[in-house]
Amino acid sequence: DGGITQSPKYLFRKEGQNVTLSCEQNLNHDAMYWYRQDPGQGLRLIYYSQIVNDFQKGDIAEGYSVSREKKESFPLTVTSAQKNPTAFYLCASSSGRDPDTQYFGPGTRLTVL
Amino acid sequence: GQNIDQPTEMTATEGAIVQINCTYQTSGFNGLFWYQQHAGEAPTFLSYNVLDGLEEKGRFSSFLSRSKGYSYLLLKELQMKDSASYLCAALDSNYQLIWGAGTKLIIKP
Repeated sequence: DGGITQSPKYLFRKEGQNVTLSCEQNLNHDAMYWYRQDPGQGLRLIYYSQIVNDFQKGDIAEGYSVSREKKESFPLTVTSAQKNPTAFYLCASSSGRDPDTQYFGPGTRLTVL
Repeated sequence: GQNIDQPTEMTATEGAIVQINCTYQTSGFNGLFWYQQHAGEAPTFLSYNVLDGLEEKGRFSSFLSRSKGYSYLLLKELQMKDSASYLCAALDSNYQLIWGAGTKLIIKP
């Protein structure tokens, strides 16, 4: 079964700690994305990667970092510099070919205590 | 700036028809997507329009007018399981998706 997995589903961390969210896909997609979703708001792009070993900042990259060492994996680190990290984090991937539909993982809900 | 507008919330009755509107203003346009998102879950792809007109897919249809910067999602024979948020997203000239805040659809028996 092809798909996108994110782990964990729920994550709690103390203020001042860095935390890494996992995203893995076996769809053979070239492009991967990280979004943040807050109540009552649209999805906001954090980072995206169109090819291995390359990634670009999205609209709200401050306080986050990513890596793309393998095609299948695109982990997101939420650093202590992120002022309001509590949110629902969604990872997506797409083939990079028209119409380039994005498919989403189940999400990770991060709560900072 | 780039902007997507859709109603915050709509209510409809089981078995009825509902139309969810979306207007967009983007720098360039390369298509419009509709996604469904149940509470606490990930968005799932519903439809993609790039040419003017209506695309029908079972109980769901999506319409696009490029000249008016307007799209709608039409849901027929509503079922309780259709209670969800519906997200409209437009692809701009850089092939970046611009997302609306979503329309929460409440279905009443």
